[in-house]
Amino acid sequence: AQKITQTQPGMFVQEKEAVTLDCTYDTSDPSYGLFWYKQPSSGEMIFLIYQGSYDQQNATEGRYSLNFQKARKSANLVISASQLGDSAMYFCAIGPNTGNQFYFGTGTSLTVIP
Amino acid sequence: DSGVTQTPKHLITATGQRVTLRCSPRSGDLSVYWYQQSLDQGLQFLIQYYNGEERAKGNILERFSAQQFPDLHSELNLSSLELGDSALYFCASSAYSGGIDEQFFGPGTRLTVL
Repeated sequence: AQKITQTQPGMFVQEKEAVTLDCTYDTSDPSYGLFWYKQPSSGEMIFLIYQGSYDQQNATEGRYSLNFQKARKSANLVISASQLGDSAMYFCAIGPNTGNQFYFGTGTSLTVIP
Repeated sequence: DSGVTQTPKHLITATGQRVTLRCSPRSGDLSVYWYQQSLDQGLQFLIQYYNGEERAKGNILERFSAQQFPDLHSELNLSSLELGDSALYFCASSAYSGGIDEQFFGPGTRLTVL
C-alpha cells in the first residue's frame, strides 16, 4: 500500500521569503508520480506540480519547485518569494503506476505573513 | 477554472436518503476520479472510471456507487445516507488511465446530512 506523510500541520512564512513544505512517502511500486495540490479557503483543489519517479531533474513550475530525493523517499515543495495569496492548505499525493489509486497526505496549512 | 464541472454545489439532505452527484470532466479527458474530503478522514480516493469502465476502487462504501456514461460524464450515487457522510465530494479528471498524470479537480459538492 502507498502512504504519504506530511508532518507539518501548520507553517508560517514572511511575505517574499521562501518556504519548504515536507512530504515523505512509502511505496513498493517501481514507477510512481508525486503531486502537490493547493486548496485555498474557497475549497477548490489546484494542481501545482508533478514529479515522476524516473525523472532525473527536479520539477519546477514558476515559483514552485519540488525537491525530490528518491533514496530518502521525500518530495518537498519549495515555494519561493511567498505571496499573501499562497496562504492555503497544501496536499502532497502519490499516484502509483499500478492500481491507479491516489493517496493524499493530511495537508499543511501555510500562512503568509505580510 | 480547471474545466471540470460538478453539480450541485451544495446539497442538504436527511439521513436515510439517496443523492446523486454529477461530474463533467475536462474536454478530452477519459478518466474520472471521485474523492471524499472530510475533517476526520482527510482526502480519500473513492473510485476511478476510464472511458466508461471502472478502473480502480478505493475506500468506497457499499452504499455508494458510481458510473461513467458514454458522453464521459460521471455520477456518484450515495444511498442510505448517514451523518458521517457529510463531506466535500470532489471529482477530478485526467487524460490517461495509467495513473501518472495530473488530475484536475472540480469545485466540489458539499454534502450535508442532517
